[in-house]
Amino acid sequence: GIQVEQSPPDLILQEGANSTLRCNFSDSVNNLQWFHQNPWGQLINLFYIPSGTKQNGRLSATTVATERYSLLYISSSQTTDSGVYFCAVHGSSNTGKLIFGQGTTLQVKP
Amino acid sequence: GAGVSQSPSNKVTEKGKDVELRCDPISGHTALYWYRQRLGQGLEFLIYFQGNSAPDKSGLPSDRFSAERTGESVSTLTIQRTQQEDSAVYLCASSPRVGSGNQPQHFGDGTRLSIL
Repeated sequence: GIQVEQSPPDLILQEGANSTLRCNFSDSVNNLQWFHQNPWGQLINLFYIPSGTKQNGRLSATTVATERYSLLYISSSQTTDSGVYFCAVHGSSNTGKLIFGQGTTLQVKP
Repeated sequence: GAGVSQSPSNKVTEKGKDVELRCDPISGHTALYWYRQRLGQGLEFLIYFQGNSAPDKSGLPSDRFSAERTGESVSTLTIQRTQQEDSAVYLCASSPRVGSGNQPQHFGDGTRLSIL
């Protein structure tokens, strides 16, 4: 099955800094989503981005499907950005199940 | 409803007991998914429903786990004879349709299950 690898596993930032999180996947995908899991465990949709670039406020994401990776950019980080960021992909099967990476744990210090 | 609703939010039970976890998907969403998240891990797929049918049960870890969906709406995940390794957060997601998989999934807040 498809393998999803995220890097780095852990990241500590000072408030105001920028960061890039990476997601590599081992096969072609029909769907890619980025999620933020906050410290209370809630999983929040950030982007649905099987290809191309999207922006939402301080966050943006780019997926290069032909090269099997996606990047999540966080600019001017805030303490509320802390939590775990997951990349998840849906492969060529038609059940739509998402395959998750192990996540990047981000801590933003004031 | 406005979002995916799961109940209970927390469940503590003794080893060997049966538990039922409930998921109310977003109204009109025909696809429903159950995932499990162990502490410090990513999410693992358990089962997927299209309508009331479950074409993919490949993630259910053992025959102690079962799920059903009725009225193309509410779903119940049942774990029989719970074991300590069943302790995890169980998350439900729904999406408007399946097929090409080009619809994002929306997650509930999960049920945190603790087996004593």
